[in-house]
Formats: sequence, structure tokens, C-alpha cells
Amino acid sequence: AQSVTQLDSHVSVSEGTPVLLRCNYSSSYSPSLFWYVQHPNKGLQLLLKYTSAATLVKGINGFEAEFKKSETSFHLTKPSAHMSDAAEYFCVVAGGSYIPTFGRGTSLIVHP
Amino acid sequence: DTAVSQTPKYLVTQMGNDKSIKCEQNLGHDTMYWYKQDSKKFLKIMFSYNNKELIINETVPNRFSPKSPDKAHLNLHINSLELGDSAVYFCASSQAQAGNTIYFGEGSWLTVV
Repeated sequence: AQSVTQLDSHVSVSEGTPVLLRCNYSSSYSPSLFWYVQHPNKGLQLLLKYTSAATLVKGINGFEAEFKKSETSFHLTKPSAHMSDAAEYFCVVAGGSYIPTFGRGTSLIVHP
Repeated sequence: DTAVSQTPKYLVTQMGNDKSIKCEQNLGHDTMYWYKQDSKKFLKIMFSYNNKELIINETVPNRFSPKSPDKAHLNLHINSLELGDSAVYFCASSQAQAGNTIYFGEGSWLTVV
């Protein structure tokens, strides 16, 4: 079995300040973990993924995430938010059965 | 070239009608999916096909019927549309092995009136 919990439904930051979007997971297998971004009226775009290689994963647009097995977390960060980062972000876990399970999403709001 | 394409992007139809959404991927993937995204942005898997065979069939009304004529296509047919079917439907594809990236289409916005 597997599940994923995104701890915040909304995160609000000012432009130029750091971003932290939190994700906790559970999995009976060694998980693969993903972050996707969805801009308004668009499909989902892969930001980054973890598949048992380096625990610190760098993605597109300056985002990165760290896999912490002891904390069962895969939080997404960015040092400095940009207005164009405003979107919905989804954490996804996939395990041995490979039924990808999505978190409920975190809406990132960026203020000027 | 669009990797996963689905049509139509927008569809407004009356209750009781039958409609189809088409999906095609040109990535050479062997697995395709349909997801439904509700008004609260929650994404729920509906179906998954691997090499034209159904491997995941979550609890959805049997008014929804997927059809995969070949491994590059997975169409979604919906009979007797209801108001509650209004949502965004996403097609996606990947290679079957765990850990492979899922590529999504741009979505089809279905509104039932």
C-alpha cells in the first residue's frame, strides 16, 4: 500500500522569498517520488523525480527536493519565488505495484 | 511535437448525451492512463492500460468505457452523461516500470449542463 500527504493546501509567499511545499509519503516498497506542477488550464508538467539515486534532486526552474527516508518526506523547495511559480503542485508516490498515487495538491500563491 | 495529445480540449454537452475523448501518445510508451480531476483539483486514476490490456479499473460507473485500439491510443467513451461527470479528464502515458515518469496531456474540460 502507499499514500501521500501534502501538508498544506495553500502556501502564500512574497516574490523573492523561499518556497517550501511539504510532502509526506508511505509505501511498502522503495518508492519513486515525483513533483508535478499544473499552471491554470494546463496539464501537469514534471518538476523533478527521485528514484533511489541521490537523495537531493534538482529539477527545472530552480526547484529541488530532498528525499528523507527517516522522516518519510519529500519536500519541495526553491530559494527565491517568482511570480510565474504561482500554480498547483502535486506530490506523487509510485511503488512496486506502480499505481501512481497523487497528493491532494498545494496551491502556491506568490505576492508581488 | 506534442507527446500526449487529447481532444477535444473543451466539451460542453447536455445530460444524457454520449461523448468520447480521444488520446494519443507518440512517446512509444506501453502504458496509458485516464485521470479525473475534480473541482478541488484532486486527481483520481480511472483506468490504466498496458499494451492494450486493462490493468487498472478503479471504481468508476460503467457508463465510462475505455478503448485502446493500439498501444499509442486510449480513448474514453462516456454514456448517459450526468452533471457530476463535469470535470477535467487527463490522459497520460509512461513506460510500465515503477519509477518511470508519467507524461500528461493538456486535459479535456468536460461540462455537462
